[in-house]
Amino acid sequence: NAGVTQTPKFQVLKTGQSMTLQCAQDMNHNSMYWYRQDPGMGLRLIYYSASEGTTDKGEVPNGYNVSRLNKREFSLRLESAAPSQTSVYFCASSYTSNEQYFGPGTRLTVT
Amino acid sequence: GNSVTQMEGPVTLSEEAFLTINCTYTATGYPSLFWYVQYPGEGLQLLLKATKADDKGSNKGFEATYRKETTSFHLEKGSVQVSDSAVYFCALSVKAQKLVFGQGTRLTINP
Repeated sequence: NAGVTQTPKFQVLKTGQSMTLQCAQDMNHNSMYWYRQDPGMGLRLIYYSASEGTTDKGEVPNGYNVSRLNKREFSLRLESAAPSQTSVYFCASSYTSNEQYFGPGTRLTVT
Repeated sequence: GNSVTQMEGPVTLSEEAFLTINCTYTATGYPSLFWYVQYPGEGLQLLLKATKADDKGSNKGFEATYRKETTSFHLEKGSVQVSDSAVYFCALSVKAQKLVFGQGTRLTINP
């Protein structure tokens, strides 16, 4: 049982480049989430998907897009990366939002 | 709106010391309350939770009591160990909606 997996673990991009962060869960959870973690700011919700086929904006959605590919997979895309998007990105899943299970994170640096 | 305020860190203690990390919240509605822990290089893990007033959540020697009258959910442990060194996040959710996190408190335990 792998839980929540994320790829890649580390990524360096130049300003303007695009990339997709992948997330998958094997717990049959309905809901999935993308957060970013910045020093001194805790976790901020970027987008979430309450169920397969639905996505909604969180607190900081600008500059990101998401796709809920199926029940297992929820990807986060940066179309044109900016230095302000340098952060650690976490994917999470839950049956209800009360108990979320987190992946190991992707450390992204945009130069 | 809903928000969580945590004790400013970092916190440094000696092994076997008593730990308190303060957490207070503001919520529209009746929230569920959580403590998550993040060990170095890992994602967040649920440490404990409480879903109604006066409930006490406990796990791994940590405890927190849901105090509605003071809107607080302080984390305590009687005797900390070096292995407790981590970042601790207080969080809430209302009506099984999205989690709202505090900014995190970094705890370092010295031998």
